[in-house]
Amino acid sequence: KAGVTQTPRYLIKTRGQQVTLSCSPISGHRSVSWYQQTPGQGLQFLFEYFSETQRNKGNFPGRFSGRQFSNSRSEMNVSTLELGDSALYLCASSADTSLAKNIQYFGAGTRLSVL
Amino acid sequence: AQKITQTQPGMFVQEKEAVTLDCTYDTSDPSYGLFWYKQPSSGEMIFLIYQGSYDQQNATEGRYSLNFQKARKSANLVISASQLGDSAMYFCAMRGLSYNTDKLIFGTGTRLQVFP
Repeated sequence: KAGVTQTPRYLIKTRGQQVTLSCSPISGHRSVSWYQQTPGQGLQFLFEYFSETQRNKGNFPGRFSGRQFSNSRSEMNVSTLELGDSALYLCASSADTSLAKNIQYFGAGTRLSVL
Repeated sequence: AQKITQTQPGMFVQEKEAVTLDCTYDTSDPSYGLFWYKQPSSGEMIFLIYQGSYDQQNATEGRYSLNFQKARKSANLVISASQLGDSAMYFCAMRGLSYNTDKLIFGTGTRLQVFP
């Protein structure tokens, strides 16, 4: 079974541009979550999608948005990029959130550098 | 509010020795899950072990075990017989179970280095 796939793996953008990151969850998984990892702030929750609906959102500005498609694939978009958006963006998928022992499996991440 | 605290920024251990990585947590949620993930330099977060707040026994997964002390709000990871490939960042995380969400709260991590 293929794992969580994130594309692209690396991205370089300049301030003011926008970027779209993609995540394909494990087959059969319907829940997708996104996290931002930086040296200063650590791992922070961005948002969570289930059945094409945003179920939860972290404390990030409106420049950060996401969506989920009917096949559970998800994209996140960051508009008007700032230097502080440079980070590793991790996507995770899970099978059944109603279970207590519901494990999130992560992709390898997209490393975004904003110049 | 939920919080995870990992007080050891870095740890060293000799190959084949055991090591304990500390994790304390704080939550008002009566039901929660605790997770440990390993992050090698490649970046991917690898799930290691899970402990539910109502589980009576400490979780074990191969060389990994979780020393869960609910009254102390601690969930320490024990790695037995360390291997060179265990060198990585280790994160403790928590998920509240009262609401239907996958949101994980992470600690700041511990960098483990295993030497020959």
